[in-house]
Amino acid sequence: EVQLVESGGGLVQPGGSLRLSCAASGFTFTNYAMTWVRQAPGKGLEWVSAISGGGGSTYYADSVKGRFTISRDNSKNTLYLQMNSLRAEDTAVYYCAKDRGIAVAFVASDYWGQGTLVTVSS
Amino acid sequence: EIVLTQSPATLSLSPGERATLSCRASQSVSSYLAWYQQKPGQAPRLLIYDASNRATGIPARFSGSGSGTDFTLTISSLEPEDFAVYYCQQHSNWPPYTFGQGTKLEIK
Repeated sequence: EVQLVESGGGLVQPGGSLRLSCAASGFTFTNYAMTWVRQAPGKGLEWVSAISGGGGSTYYADSVKGRFTISRDNSKNTLYLQMNSLRAEDTAVYYCAKDRGIAVAFVASDYWGQGTLVTVSS
Repeated sequence: EIVLTQSPATLSLSPGERATLSCRASQSVSSYLAWYQQKPGQAPRLLIYDASNRATGIPARFSGSGSGTDFTLTISSLEPEDFAVYYCQQHSNWPPYTFGQGTKLEIK
């Protein structure tokens, strides 16, 4: 059974940093691209970032480019999202998701974690 | 950036009725379009990928069609558990892999 468990969310002040983790199990982690998607309170889904199975290709939404860094440790079956220079508009539930293929392009996300809430406020 | 526009914003129907949800892309995404269902307090669930392929475990009453810029999600006969918010997402060759704004399917 595929399982994705996010952690690391919480309350952080504007300008602060946070690192999210996503522990994966039930599939061969290195064979699949992974994605972060966020959802602000009461709003729709926003694609944030994605990384290929080997970790060599990374992609970002313009809204987070230069502030967020996606990475993965395939030896630990774990996905990360390092978030720096956080803003109030980054407040959201952050979901990690497994993609259907090893490359980022052309594939949907078939399994999702339950999400972790990040609140940016003073 | 490819913009996806979903219509209607809200759809009010009764159990047993047929639901038709639309997603229009600002430029062609070929067949690289997915549909997700999200219930309150839950993560999204993949229903359809590559425009018309049902994901694992998805009932046959859900079907997807379309290519290029116009796509449709059809639920043939609504069950009580189908009332939720539905999102389309394009996953063509270049990010960002944008989502539509969602269609809320509510009980009439």
